Order: sequence, then C-alpha cells, then structure tokens
Amino acid sequence: TQLLEQSPQFLSIQEGENLTVYCNSSSVFSSLQWYRQEPGEGPVLLVTVVTGGEVKKLKRLTFQFGDARKDSSLHITAAQPGDTGLYLCAGGGGANNLFFGTGTRLTVIP
Amino acid sequence: KAGVTQTPRYLIKTRGQQVTLSCSPISGHRSVSWYQQTPGQGLQFLFEYFSETQRNKGNFPGRFSGRQFSNSRSEMNVSTLELGDSALYLCASRSLPDSPLHFGNGTRLTVT
Repeated sequence: TQLLEQSPQFLSIQEGENLTVYCNSSSVFSSLQWYRQEPGEGPVLLVTVVTGGEVKKLKRLTFQFGDARKDSSLHITAAQPGDTGLYLCAGGGGANNLFFGTGTRLTVIP
Repeated sequence: KAGVTQTPRYLIKTRGQQVTLSCSPISGHRSVSWYQQTPGQGLQFLFEYFSETQRNKGNFPGRFSGRQFSNSRSEMNVSTLELGDSALYLCASRSLPDSPLHFGNGTRLTVT
C-alpha cells in the first residue's frame, strides 16, 4: 500500500493569511493530484503534477511536486473563506487506482 | 454536460441488511470507480470497472461487490452490513483509465 500523509490535519486561519499544506510519501509517484472537497460534495480535481520539481499555479494556489516525486505542497496566498474545504492529495493513477492522502481540513475565518 | 449522479444521497440501514448504491457516470465515460470515505480512514479505493469489466479491486472483504452495465452505469452492493460500513460512498467516472477522475456527491450510508 502506498501511503500519503498530509500535514497539518487541521488548519484554521484568518482571511488574508498565507498557508502551506504538505503531502509526503516514502513511495515515488508518476504523478500527484490535488483535490478540494466541500461539505456535502465529492472531491474536485484542482491540478495534476507530473514532473519532479514542477510548479503549477492556479490563481492564488501554487502547487509543487518534489524533485524525487515523493512529496508535494500546496501554498495558498491571501486565503479567502471560499478556500474552506478538505484538501486531498492523491498519487498513482494512470491505469492504476489512486491512493488518497489523509487530508487537510482548512477553515478560513472571515 | 451532466456530472456524475449518485443515488440515493442518504440511506439508513440496519446491521445484517444489504444495500445497493447506484452511479450514473458522465456521458461518454466508460470507467467508474468506487471509494469509501470515513473520518478515520479517509478515502479508500473499492474497485474500478471499465467497459463492464472489473479492472482493479481494493482491499475490502467480499461483502463489497459491484457491477457495470452496458450503458456504463454502475451499482455497488454491500451485503451483511456492519456498523463499520457507515461511510460516504463516492463514485467517480473518467473517459479512459488514465484520465482525471470526476466524482459524484456521494451516498451517505448509516448503519444502525
């Protein structure tokens, strides 16, 4: 089983603050995906990173894939209440099933 | 384009009963995957079907089974329900085995 550990597990911040969440594994992944899940809904794909060292930006969200393709980070600049949700990283995929991380539950307080 | 539809949204069952959950994928998507989500274990892979054939299976007991129909719709069945089966069951579809997953909003199953 390929384990993906995310930290922190819970994060509560004020609107306008910056934050970083981490996704770590001892396994090498061909790609990593980040999802956000809001209450009562299924996860929604935010980004897929494929190349070691790759950095992708999605508005105020910056995703980085580690050089060794074992870890990833998500940085949010100037967090907004709409960023509240459960952030999940997932590795594997392709023709195989995805392994999901333990999740980071983010609350942004107005 | 309609998203992934799961029915029912909520379900309450008693220990020992069985349950069938339904998933209609996005039109044109031939792959359907099922996941179980609990607070303690997170999202865990159950199985994936592609063109009516099971491609992958997670580490769940045989009480959990599924099937896929010729129109790509899928059903998941859990027999002899246990309290620990209480969870959010998520279905996801994709057009090809290596395409991104699109999730439905899940069926929340409560076993009493």
